[in-house]
Amino acid sequence: RKEVEQDPGPFNVPEGATVAFNCTYSNSASQSFFWYRQDCRKEPKLLMSVYSSGNEDGRFTAQLNRASQYISLLIRDSKLSDSATYLCVVKNNQGGKLIFGQGTELSVKP
Amino acid sequence: DAGVIQSPRHEVTEMGQEVTLRCKPISGHDYLFWYRQTMMRGLELLIYFNNNVPIDDSGMPEDRFSAKMPNASFSTLKIQPSEPRDSAVYFCASRLAGLNTGELFFGEGSRLTVL
Repeated sequence: RKEVEQDPGPFNVPEGATVAFNCTYSNSASQSFFWYRQDCRKEPKLLMSVYSSGNEDGRFTAQLNRASQYISLLIRDSKLSDSATYLCVVKNNQGGKLIFGQGTELSVKP
Repeated sequence: DAGVIQSPRHEVTEMGQEVTLRCKPISGHDYLFWYRQTMMRGLELLIYFNNNVPIDDSGMPEDRFSAKMPNASFSTLKIQPSEPRDSAVYFCASRLAGLNTGELFFGEGSRLTVL
């Protein structure tokens, strides 16, 4: 079983839609969680951290459920520029290793 | 400030040849990571260093792969001999210890094709 699992998609949504991505992780010792964004043929970049109480950054909301070992990302009022692959990332604080999920592809259409 | 610099950006080689990928991390960063990305397997961690010392190389596929970090500003990933299944994008990334932001700074990647 992979350490971090995501639905690969693709998710095809119209502009303005709300879309949610889910991610599960297997290592209960994981301490820190993040969402990265990767544009086509580019490198991944940090989108946002995920905090235990949930957190919001503009149209993006991240949630963490430690009991279920589950992380989510909600994008409201999606824009064409949101089209990308979204990577769930888990960090075990022992040693600083970051493990990436396979990514969920999002395509926002006009 | 310069980001993580990788070279070459693209390499096409024949099976059996040696491949060397290079990385210059961001100055002052003390962690360096090598990842490999393919459509089938996604982004896989190969090895990472802390203060130039390899910490975890459990992701290195086999003995054909080796990585070194002779100093704080340079690392190499070598494949010898290369095989077609090594074709992938290889990313180098660095970060600063002591921050819990989880922000890794990636280079633009080295796209390797082994024929």
